[in-house]
Amino acid sequence: DAKTTQPTSMDCAEGRAANLPCNHSTISGNEYVYWYRQIHSQGPQYIIHGLKNNETNEMASLIITEDRKSSTLILPHATLRDTAVYYCIVRVAGRDDKIIFGKGTRLHILP
Amino acid sequence: GAVVSQHPSWVICKSGTSVKIECRSLDFQATTMFWYRQFPKQSLMLMATSNEGSKATYEQGVEKDKFLINHASLTLSTLTVTSAHPEDSSFYICSVRGGFFGPGTRLTVL
Repeated sequence: DAKTTQPTSMDCAEGRAANLPCNHSTISGNEYVYWYRQIHSQGPQYIIHGLKNNETNEMASLIITEDRKSSTLILPHATLRDTAVYYCIVRVAGRDDKIIFGKGTRLHILP
Repeated sequence: GAVVSQHPSWVICKSGTSVKIECRSLDFQATTMFWYRQFPKQSLMLMATSNEGSKATYEQGVEKDKFLINHASLTLSTLTVTSAHPEDSSFYICSVRGGFFGPGTRLTVL
């Protein structure tokens, strides 16, 4: 899997949009961008994934640059429950491959 | 997505004893499961890949004789920490299909 780079930590005010960046400059053509988050003392939770088009679901939006070398996860209206570590991972979809986690971004939502 | 459970959710044991952690895929037949461990304020570290009906594949630096993995069915993989010591205290997490994770098991070795 290609390597990703994320900021170590970020703060966001409650109710505002949280924008989490990720760089994946060595991503391959068949690799998707996946986002997971881990709330304290829980297992990681899938958020969203995409190949090249922007994606949106009930949890978040994913914006992928045209060259696919970076992406941004957007939580449109952050709440205190969104405080977690967010992991950006690139991998081939559908394969039973292991996931190698980087350090992720620790997002603090401030009241 | 797949639903994954783990049992127990937490366990405390004495040094030198063995502890078994179960990972179940509730709605998906998983030929492959993955085991991770996580120390406080650190990321998840992949320990091994559990293969149904065959031997597990361990990551470099993980002792296969200490962390015994059994994947006897398509819905159950077990991780046994043998002769546990305080340094084995950690959060153990399993996953299936490479992307759906269990809730984790907190192991504390006294």
